Amino acid sequence: NAGVTQTPKFQVLKTGQSMTLQCAQDMNHNSMYWYRQDPGMGLRLIYYSASEGTTDKGEVPNGYNVSRLNKREFSLRLESAAPSQTSVYFCASSERGQEQFFGPGTRLTVL
Amino acid sequence: RKEVEQDPGPFNVPEGATVAFNCTYSNSASQSFFWYRQDCRKEPKLLMSVYSSGNEDGRFTAQLNRASQYISLLIRDSKLSDSATYLCVVNEDNNDMRFGAGTRLTVKP
Repeated sequence: NAGVTQTPKFQVLKTGQSMTLQCAQDMNHNSMYWYRQDPGMGLRLIYYSASEGTTDKGEVPNGYNVSRLNKREFSLRLESAAPSQTSVYFCASSERGQEQFFGPGTRLTVL
Repeated sequence: RKEVEQDPGPFNVPEGATVAFNCTYSNSASQSFFWYRQDCRKEPKLLMSVYSSGNEDGRFTAQLNRASQYISLLIRDSKLSDSATYLCVVNEDNNDMRFGAGTRLTVKP
């Protein structure tokens, strides 16, 4: 059991570039989440997916899009990266309302 | 006002000390509560859930006070390995978990 995996681990982008962060879980969870973590801010929810085929906005969705490709995979896309999107991004999965399991994170720097 | 507030610390304590963290939340309809632990440059991991009656797991005790809307975590007999950031998490609406910014603990020999 790998749990929650994320790729890439590190990424440096220039302003305006696009990229997709990948996330997969092997725990058969219905719910998946994308968070960003900035110093002094805690984790903030970007988007979540309560089940395959559904996605909803979280607290800070602007500048991001998501795709719940299937039950296992939930990707996060930055269409035109901005320096304000420099952060650590965590994917998580859970059953509804239960403990969330996190991936190892992606450290993104936008220059 | 933030939905979930924690004292950021840092708390610097000697080995063997007892240390307590508090967390307040603003949404009185919040449904469930957790403490997560996050080591430097790692992902958060569940430390313990917090139940209305209070619960204990070894050296760790969690309490919930719904009337005052706060959660606490008590660590007894601190170990060097307890050094980490402790995140208070409040489940507002099943899929809407709100995280505090975390309290940093350093346990010194």
